[in-house]
Amino acid sequence: EVQVLESGGGLVQPGGSLRLSCAASGFTFDGFAMNWVRQAPGKGLEWVSGISSGGSTYYADSVKGRFTISRDNSKSTLYLQMNSLRAEDTAIYFCAKDLDFFPRGFDHWGQGTLVTVSS
Amino acid sequence: QSALTQPPSASGSPGQSVTFSCTGTSSDVGDYNYVSWYQQHPGKAPKLMIYEVTKRPSGVPDRFSGSRSGNTASLTVSGLQAEDEADYYCSSYAGSIKIVLFGGGTKLTVL
Repeated sequence: EVQVLESGGGLVQPGGSLRLSCAASGFTFDGFAMNWVRQAPGKGLEWVSGISSGGSTYYADSVKGRFTISRDNSKSTLYLQMNSLRAEDTAIYFCAKDLDFFPRGFDHWGQGTLVTVSS
Repeated sequence: QSALTQPPSASGSPGQSVTFSCTGTSSDVGDYNYVSWYQQHPGKAPKLMIYEVTKRPSGVPDRFSGSRSGNTASLTVSGLQAEDEADYYCSSYAGSIKIVLFGGGTKLTVL
């Protein structure tokens, strides 16, 4: 069974940093693109970043230069390093597996991890 | 790049059909086949319902169908059931700038 499980969320002050992790299982991790999608409280979905199976990276304008996506295929784990955090980054962050290549469609999602940016 | 445009709400009675629209531009919805639709129940993770404009993942009922005309994609749900009540989001690849856009979502109410 395909599973993706996010961790690393929490409360951080504006300007601070946080690293999210997404542990994947049930599929050949290095063969699939992966993504981060966020949802602010009571709001819609916003794509944040994606990474191809080969390591090419893609970012939304709202996070470019502040967030870094990466993957460790040996650990079947996806990461999102978030720096210079702002109040508007407060959201549930979902890890989402692509059907195969980026961005064909996000077919498996985790339950999300909540990031709160507040003083 | 702006988000895709979706009507905020829609409704229908059990057994009826309802169609959601998702309007983009010639740089995203109108130019790439990577249009997807997601269903999200309150407090749950989104679920992929349609990918590549018209394709259904295994396990998604054939009551759900996708289409596109120009810069507007559509999701039709036929034979409405109570469990279809949820938020529906469209997404599209904007290939020239290599990003994924989501719509604001449509809340479906089954009367």
